[in-house]
Amino acid sequence: SAVISQKPSRDICQRGTSLTIQCQVDSQVTMMFWYRQQPGQSLTLIATANQGSEATYESGFVIDKFPISRPNLTFSTLTVSNMSPEDSSIYLCSVESPTGDPETQYFGPGTRLLVL
Amino acid sequence: QKEVEQNSGPLSVPEGAIASLNCTYSDRGSQSFFWYRQYSGKSPELIMSIYSNGDKEDGRFTAQLNKASQYVSLLIRDSQPSDSATYLCAVNSGGGADGLTFGKGTHLIIQP
Repeated sequence: SAVISQKPSRDICQRGTSLTIQCQVDSQVTMMFWYRQQPGQSLTLIATANQGSEATYESGFVIDKFPISRPNLTFSTLTVSNMSPEDSSIYLCSVESPTGDPETQYFGPGTRLLVL
Repeated sequence: QKEVEQNSGPLSVPEGAIASLNCTYSDRGSQSFFWYRQYSGKSPELIMSIYSNGDKEDGRFTAQLNKASQYVSLLIRDSQPSDSATYLCAVNSGGGADGLTFGKGTHLIIQP
């Protein structure tokens, strides 16, 4: 598996502001993913971040709201822009397995966001 | 629309018994199937992956896949109180390294 860290672990933000979440992995991986888990709900894929190309967004998620950077093979950021209370969620990054089966994904600890 | 369905529970099982968790999926072309365990306030932890029809065993856990019925299950033998968690079924429909579609999860309670 991979060791994944996220910063910040939690934050409380005011509506209208933006927050950038960082995801760092201890191995080089091609694919990184960003998910959202709203309170009491399951995980929903926001986008796939492949190093060296633009992120691919799922239906219902747009780049202006959730811009993503992927500058190298161990790091990615997700920005939640112009936040509203509806953006209060846990945001999780995941990576493909750095060894063995690339379809297997491992998750970071998550960023707990509360928007007031 | 790709969908993954799970009974939300809670599913209550006595300690030492077998816990059976079920999942169905809508996309017949799905290739890969995963079970994650999520403790309250924690991120999902991979338990099992399965790609071919039949059973796959790992310790106390057995994953079962039936692609014809579009059905995946997870059996936990000799259930322990530490197995109490939400179990998420996830499906990779695209093949290769692709995003996962998750079910809403089944909340499992192991009663001592």
